[in-house]
Amino acid sequence: EDQVTQSPEALRLQEGESSSLNCSYTVSGLRGLFWYRQDPGKGPEFLFTLYSAGEEKEKERLKATLTKKESFLHITAPKPEDSATYLCAVYGQGGSEKLVFGKGTKLTVNP
Amino acid sequence: DAGITQSPRHKVTETGTPVTLRCHQTENHRYMYWYRQDPGHGLRLIHYSYGVKDTDKGEVSDGYSVSRSKTEDFLLTLESATSSQTSVYFCAISGDFGTRTPEQYFGPGTRLTVT
Repeated sequence: EDQVTQSPEALRLQEGESSSLNCSYTVSGLRGLFWYRQDPGKGPEFLFTLYSAGEEKEKERLKATLTKKESFLHITAPKPEDSATYLCAVYGQGGSEKLVFGKGTKLTVNP
Repeated sequence: DAGITQSPRHKVTETGTPVTLRCHQTENHRYMYWYRQDPGHGLRLIHYSYGVKDTDKGEVSDGYSVSRSKTEDFLLTLESATSSQTSVYFCAISGDFGTRTPEQYFGPGTRLTVT
């Protein structure tokens, strides 16, 4: 069964203090790893898709990387507006046509 | 933003009553999904559709049914609501599965409370 574990559950940073969020996964044949951002009371917002180990994607202060066992979301010089819950999800070759989500990391960036 | 709307956005209902949630998309995407999100569980798939009148179960489908009579609409029905179905429900859409798995885009959610 596909599994996703995100750590830490919560992270507090000062504005400008760079850090990384972790997404460890177990999947039979990765067909895609997805990162989402979710603000309170809203639906998840798509950020990145990674398909193979070594792949990297960047968007503003965010950079996502992928290895064979985990993905990192690096946040460089974060701002308060980066505060949100970040969700990781994987799609495996199990054939059930579904994303498996982690429980998320709640990021708070203090000014 | 992907053109996805959900209605109603908030609903309070009593145990045992039927409830239908609607998801409407303007993107003409083939795939549509219903998820629920609960503290400590993350997002879990309830049902999904891969075309008009083509649907399948997700991991938490008990107590739910779905219908898709048009490409743009995907309905989720709780035949007899229970307190355990109190949750936030999200609809999502995606394009076809070609050589790569497509990303899913989510609607704004419906907060359902069953008293």
